[in-house]
Amino acid sequence: SYELTQPPSVSVSPGQTARITCSGDALPKKYVYWYQQKPGQAPVLVIYKDNKRPPGIPERFSGSSSGTEVTLTISGVQAEDEADYHCQSADRDNTYSVFGAGTKVTVL
Amino acid sequence: QVQLAQSGPEVKKPGASVKVSCKASGYTFTSYYLHWVRQAPGQGLEWMGVINPNSGSTNYAQKLQGRVTMTRDTSTSTLYMELSSLRSEDTAVYYCARGEELVFFDNWGQGTLVTVSS
Repeated sequence: SYELTQPPSVSVSPGQTARITCSGDALPKKYVYWYQQKPGQAPVLVIYKDNKRPPGIPERFSGSSSGTEVTLTISGVQAEDEADYHCQSADRDNTYSVFGAGTKVTVL
Repeated sequence: QVQLAQSGPEVKKPGASVKVSCKASGYTFTSYYLHWVRQAPGQGLEWMGVINPNSGSTNYAQKLQGRVTMTRDTSTSTLYMELSSLRSEDTAVYYCARGEELVFFDNWGQGTLVTVSS
């Protein structure tokens, strides 16, 4: 079955830039969606269609793509950005949805 | 505003079934697909399947085929997910989410904890 690969963890100091990658063979032809999830809460959509921000999401969240890898970038990280981040896409044949295993972002 | 209000926590024995509900409000129920996603303790998100509220057609994750059933009641704008033959590995928080056919989940329910234990 199709898989999306994320690093388990990323650590960053306040004010620095955090980059979280998500890789998958179908990504050159499929959009990626990113969700932020804080402990005990439901996920929140922060990036859709690789690089678009929903209303209310701070500008410090951005997305980019290159071949089989997409990246969620958090510029000027704040303490409140500490959370798990999950990427999502669809398989090549558009038969099912898939999530990456999630990346825990720790603000030092 | 869009709200997805889920039913309360459940404790079930292995082999039993559980049915979780999700009541939608604040938008036209039949205009968006509705999904179920689960998260086992300390684990990532797992997509379970989707229902088209307009037609009632469903698409389930292969892993859960034969054990999961998603239905909807358009008169009450409520979505249901029933999981049968429960095992300990089904212990998780179950979320409903509004979205497109397979992606773009822009609103989520608050989650329902299902615990499977003898």
